[in-house]
Parts: sequence; C-alpha cells; structure tokens
Amino acid sequence: DGGITQSPKYLFRKEGQNVTLSCEQNLNHDAMYWYRQDPGQGLRLIYYSQIVNDFQKGDIAEGYSVSREKKESFPLTVTSAQKNPTAFYLCASSRTSANTGELFFGEGSRLTVL
Amino acid sequence: QKEVEQDPGPLSVPEGAIVSLNCTYSNSAFQYFMWYRQYSRKGPELLMYTYSSGNKEDGRFTAQVDKSSKYISLFIRDSQPSDSATYLCAMSRSGSARQLTFGSGTQLTVLP
Repeated sequence: DGGITQSPKYLFRKEGQNVTLSCEQNLNHDAMYWYRQDPGQGLRLIYYSQIVNDFQKGDIAEGYSVSREKKESFPLTVTSAQKNPTAFYLCASSRTSANTGELFFGEGSRLTVL
Repeated sequence: QKEVEQDPGPLSVPEGAIVSLNCTYSNSAFQYFMWYRQYSRKGPELLMYTYSSGNKEDGRFTAQVDKSSKYISLFIRDSQPSDSATYLCAMSRSGSARQLTFGSGTQLTVLP
C-alpha cells in the first residue's frame, strides 16, 4: 500500500533537547513538505523539498532543520532553538511542487515538550 | 487579519442533515480552492478541488466558489456519522502545493 509513514506518533521532549521526526514515502513523489498544526490555526509550512538534496524554508522555518538525502525520506529536526515546539507535525508529499494542490499526508507526529 | 478565515465550530448536526461549511479569504489572487477532511489524530485527505468560480459536485459533496465575494463553501447532503471530522479549506494563487494557505478547520459532528 502506497503512502506516507511518520514516526513516532507521540514524542515527549525535555526543554533543550533536539528531536528528529521521521517521514518516509513510497509514492515515488518528488516533492515533500513539513507542516505544523496548532489549535485554531491553519497548517503552516515549515520546510519543503522539490528534489533530492534540495530544500527550501517555508513560513516558519526558524528552529527547525531538514535533510533530503533520499527521495523517499525527509526527516525534520526540531532544535532547542524552537521556542514553542509543542504541536502536531504533518509530513506530506506531492508528485511535484508545481502539482495542482493535491497533498498526501502522513498520520502525524505529536510532540510535547515537558 | 488572517488571509483565510474559517469558523472553527464545533458544529453538530443530526444524521441526514445538509451541512454547509464556509471559508472567506482576502487575497483576490487565489484561484485554486480545495477542501481537505481530517479525522481525529490523522492526516488530512483531499476531498474536493476546484479552479476559479463555480460549483463542483462529487457524490454527496458539492464545492462552491464565489470569487466576487471571496467566499467558498462545502455542502454535504444526507450527512452520515462517518462524515464527523475536521474540514480544512485551502487555496493558492498558482495551484502549486507549496503555496497553499490553509484555514484553521471546522470541526463537524454528525449525530446518529
């Protein structure tokens, strides 16, 4: 079954620690994205990648980092510089970044900072 | 002011009711409009996609765009308990996935 797999589903972090969220897709999509979802706010784009070894900042990239070493994988690191990291994080992919808006999402990772 | 406004609800309706979900927006350059459905603790999935103004129907779902009023709607006919979810509107100028602007979502519960 093709899709996007995010792990872990739930993650707890102490302040000052970096954490990495995993995102893997087997849809053979070129483009991948990371969004953050907070109550009462729309999805906000953190980073996106159009092709392997290339990625661009989204609207709220501060305190986050990504890599795209393989087409299938787009991990997100939430660093200690992120002031308010508690949120629901969604990874998505599309055939290309110019694709007409259809994003395929994973099931999300909920990060809680203790 | 947010670029896309969506009433968060929650909205509760009895099974079989017609549901109307709405978004307003301020950017007149938006031309591509989408509705995503998100079940609890899951990722969103694309439900409807429209370009420019007009209506689009898919089964029990109808998407409507009124660009002159900067207003989009999603109608659900004969609503079912399985329609209980959060509905997110999304829109962009170019259709590019990386330029989507999302609404905050409306939480819908359909009561059996």
